[in-house]
Amino acid sequence: GQNIDQPTEMTATEGAIVQINCTYQTSGFNGLFWYQQHAGEAPTFLSYNVLDGLEEKGRFSSFLSRSKGYSYLLLKELQMKDSASYLCAFMDSNYQLIWGAGTKLIIKP
Amino acid sequence: TAGITQAPTSQILAAGRSMTLRCTQDMRHNAMYWYRQDLGLGLRLIHYSNTAGTTGKGEVPDGYSVSRANTDDFPLTLASAVPSQTSVYFCASSLTSGGHNEQFFGPGTRLTVL
Repeated sequence: GQNIDQPTEMTATEGAIVQINCTYQTSGFNGLFWYQQHAGEAPTFLSYNVLDGLEEKGRFSSFLSRSKGYSYLLLKELQMKDSASYLCAFMDSNYQLIWGAGTKLIIKP
Repeated sequence: TAGITQAPTSQILAAGRSMTLRCTQDMRHNAMYWYRQDLGLGLRLIHYSNTAGTTGKGEVPDGYSVSRANTDDFPLTLASAVPSQTSVYFCASSLTSGGHNEQFFGPGTRLTVL
């Protein structure tokens, strides 16, 4: 079967670094996506990984290990505006996205 | 550029009534999707369309139907609404259906079925 898991909620301090983990199981894999979703708004794309390794994009980085079925999103120099839910999703063999329930990130001053 | 729009923003619907949620994109994307988002659950795919004239069933298609008469529009119809269809519905589009194609989301429709 297929499944995907990420923590429900995390808390971090403004200016700090936080790592949000995502684990998945699937027989067919075509990449791993991270999206950001502010409360009451639509998800917006952050990153895509299909090969093992780290992809860096400004304050945000995303890592993938296909052999371990594991990804993380790293947020540096946290700002209050980073308070949001972070959604992990993998693309299966049918090119459909299977979504995690999201990790709500709370930033404290 | 508007991107992707949805209407209505929110709706309260009596059980048993029908309703069509509208979705329009102006990005000339080939692929479009309908998801529902419920508290504590990930986004779940209802129906999708890889190109105009074709549609497919997602993870939770029962009680919903779609059509894709042209590239821009992808309406979702609830033929006879039930309370379990209370949810936030997101329409999304991507250039094509495969690989590194990020999906762009509309603002969502909040539907309550009583």
